[in-house]
Amino acid sequence: DAKTTQPNSMESNEEEPVHLPCNHSTISGTDYIHWYRQLPSQGPEYVIHGLTSNVNNRMASLAIAEDRKSSTLILHRATLRDAAVYYCILRPPWGFGNEKLTFGTGTRLTIIP
Amino acid sequence: EAGVAQSPRYKIIEKRQSVAFWCNPISGHATLYWYQQILGQGPKLLIQFQNNGVVDDSQLPKDRFSAERLKGVDSTLKIQPAKLEDSAVYLCASSPQQGWLDTEAFFGQGTRLTVV
Repeated sequence: DAKTTQPNSMESNEEEPVHLPCNHSTISGTDYIHWYRQLPSQGPEYVIHGLTSNVNNRMASLAIAEDRKSSTLILHRATLRDAAVYYCILRPPWGFGNEKLTFGTGTRLTIIP
Repeated sequence: EAGVAQSPRYKIIEKRQSVAFWCNPISGHATLYWYQQILGQGPKLLIQFQNNGVVDDSQLPKDRFSAERLKGVDSTLKIQPAKLEDSAVYLCASSPQQGWLDTEAFFGQGTRLTVV
């Protein structure tokens, strides 16, 4: 399985943007980059995913490097509710084999009021 | 849209006893996952079903854990006999499959198991 590397923890001030990095130097050409987050005492929730182009949704933006060996999840204006563990996951599309959704250790994001 | 339902929410058992967890995925979702999450760690995939077939169960301790998904809908995960190290939150998730397109997974609240 292709591996991802994330910082163990990060801190950010409330109402400021947050950039969460993820390195995935062994990514294959068909792997999608997924981000999930897990709030305290809850199951993980989907945040965003992409393949090559940058992606935006109501929760966040995903910036993917041109060589796809790294990506950055961007929270445009952090709130206290964004304090969570953020997971960056690589996953091939269906039919390519090994379509597992495998979590690593993630980045624990702390928001400072 | 109803979410992924899991029961029970909490369970305390003694070691060597058996326990079963139940999961009702979102209607129409073809893929169902069971994860084990030990305190302070990320979720570990135990088994992944596509309809009622197994996609991956490489990390399922098959000497004590079993899972089934009858008729490609609900699923149960069983532990028999339980060990102290099985204390964890057991998460169920489901996702639709739309051809080759990748889709998001939806997670339940989990079942917190304590083995004493």
